[in-house]
Amino acid sequence: DQQVKQNSPSLSVQEGRISILNCDYTNSMFDYFLWYKKYPAEGPTFLISISSIKDKNEDGRFTVFLNKSAKHLSLHIVPSQPGDSAVYFCAASAQGGSEKLVFGKGTKLTVNP
Amino acid sequence: NAGVTQTPKFQVLKTGQSMTLQCAQDMNHNSMYWYRQDPGMGLRLIYYSASEGTTDKGEVPNGYNVSRLNKREFSLRLESAAPSQTSVYFCASSESVLNTEAFFGQGTRLTVV
Repeated sequence: DQQVKQNSPSLSVQEGRISILNCDYTNSMFDYFLWYKKYPAEGPTFLISISSIKDKNEDGRFTVFLNKSAKHLSLHIVPSQPGDSAVYFCAASAQGGSEKLVFGKGTKLTVNP
Repeated sequence: NAGVTQTPKFQVLKTGQSMTLQCAQDMNHNSMYWYRQDPGMGLRLIYYSASEGTTDKGEVPNGYNVSRLNKREFSLRLESAAPSQTSVYFCASSESVLNTEAFFGQGTRLTVV
């Protein structure tokens, strides 16, 4: 019973193009969503987050979009750079502390020079 | 700027051996977590400690015990290691369990033979 789903295990894009990573969730109680980036042999690092009161949050080249009715969020990276090559995890949590961060399985992004 | 520090980085155990993974954070965070990452499985929560003096089970607690030694330190113990516990273990901390960004350690790669 996967509450956070990242259905694409991998994604390959050309440098300079847009990368779009997708995430779906099933728990309607989730109201805070995060993206983490992970390089090999390192721990995940926080990238960007969005609260359910918003539908978009932007930080430099990274934008997260939230579609609550579809229970879907996406991470856009524009323009993509080779250094963005990593595994990206989507995570979600619900208010009240009754649920901690729930992670998706991750999408491996490769940005080709 | 140590953040979250885990020791050891690598460990090989024989089936049935015990060991303790150590984790310390210097950010004065209240909450700490232990995750395991397996290929194709994403990050799964083993145990967490919402605040000093409390611990709770996560998604996959069987075969593990934890101790929140003080606000800084949260250890994970394998009493009798099994090959199924071969994984990469990550410790993380956050200000609280409520809608906050978690900071991760660099991971411990454990192999049980």
